[in-house]
Amino acid sequence: DAGVTQSPTHLIKTRGQHVTLRCSPISGHKSVSWYQQVLGQGPQFIFQYYEKEERGRGNFPDRFSARQFPNYSSELNVNALLLGDSALYLCASSMRQGGTEAFFGQGTRLTVV
Amino acid sequence: AQSVTQPDIHITVSEGASLELRCNYSYGATPYLFWYVQSPGQGLQLLLKYFSGDTLVQGIKGFEAEFKRSQSSFNLRKPSVHWSDAAEYFCAVGAPSNDYKLSFGAGTTVTVRA
Repeated sequence: DAGVTQSPTHLIKTRGQHVTLRCSPISGHKSVSWYQQVLGQGPQFIFQYYEKEERGRGNFPDRFSARQFPNYSSELNVNALLLGDSALYLCASSMRQGGTEAFFGQGTRLTVV
Repeated sequence: AQSVTQPDIHITVSEGASLELRCNYSYGATPYLFWYVQSPGQGLQLLLKYFSGDTLVQGIKGFEAEFKRSQSSFNLRKPSVHWSDAAEYFCAVGAPSNDYKLSFGAGTTVTVRA
């Protein structure tokens, strides 16, 4: 079975640009969460979506947004990129909203120059 | 709100020696607890998890962890380390009331010397 897949694996953007990151959860999983991992730190929670609705949001500015599609895949959008947005963005999927373990993808490495 | 502290930033251990990584959490009740491992440039792989029940949890790759409520700890152990265990290890906590949000520690980097 395929695990959590994220695309692209790497990308480089310029300050002020917009970026869209994509995530496909494990088949049968209805919950997708996004995390930001800055170099040398642990992942920080950004969003959780379950059944296409936002169920949780971390302490991130409104420049960050996300959505979940009918097939449970998800997009993370970041507007007006800053140098500080450079990080590994991780997507995690789980079967339900809670009470189960989360499986992480390999991440998207975003570099803002 | 829940939080996690991993007191050790970096640990060096000899191959074949035992390993223990410390994790302390802050949460008002019994949390969900996890240990993840991350190789350079990679995503997170779940080693083991604790939701309830037996406080000694067995995981993959020969790892185990023990939940100690009195110490608010969930330390990870491995009796004999292999060179392939060199990686970064993250402890994470989830609150049963909203466990969709995992709070991670800053991580412990493990170096294995021959």
